[in-house]
Amino acid sequence: NAGVTQTPKFQVLKTGQSMTLQCAQDMNHNSMYWYRQDPGMGLRLIYYSASEGTTDKGEVPNGYNVSRLNKREFSLRLESAAPSQTSVYFCASRNLGQANQPQHFGDGTRLSIL
Amino acid sequence: GENVEQHPSTLSVQEGDSAVIKCTYSDSASNYFPWYKQELGKRPQLIIDIRSNVGEKKDQRIAVTLNKTAKHFSLHITETQPEDSAVYFCAASEASGGYNKLIFGAGTRLAVHP
Repeated sequence: NAGVTQTPKFQVLKTGQSMTLQCAQDMNHNSMYWYRQDPGMGLRLIYYSASEGTTDKGEVPNGYNVSRLNKREFSLRLESAAPSQTSVYFCASRNLGQANQPQHFGDGTRLSIL
Repeated sequence: GENVEQHPSTLSVQEGDSAVIKCTYSDSASNYFPWYKQELGKRPQLIIDIRSNVGEKKDQRIAVTLNKTAKHFSLHITETQPEDSAVYFCAASEASGGYNKLIFGAGTRLAVHP
């Protein structure tokens, strides 16, 4: 039972390059989330998917796109990476079938944009 | 939308002392309040949560209290140990949109000195 799995764990990009961060969960959760974490800023929500087939913007969506590929997978894409997007990215999932359930986080992807 | 403020940003205690972290929230309809612990380089992990129909919850050395009237909740750690050193995040469920999102505080860095 892996929980929430993120790939890659580390990535270095040049400004302007594109890449996709992958996230998969095996807990049959219906909701999935992408956060970025910067020093002193806590966890900021980028995008989320309340259920398969839906996606919504969070607090800081600019420069990102997402795809809810199926119930298990939720990917985050940077189309043209910028140094301001250097951060640690966390994926999380949650079961909203029952109200008030906690989110479970993946191990994170450490992304550096040069 | 929901706004969560967390204090203090840093907290230093001696081993064996108690530690208290406080959070306030803005949306009186919020009904779920989890606390996460994040060790250096690791994922945030749920340590305790409380729902709005309960005023206090304990789990060994950890307790959370909720004051719905004042819209604040607190994490209490007793008999602190060096392994309690970490960043702690509070969160509140955002009522708009069906409680789909958790809004996080900025975090408290707790240092427990032997």
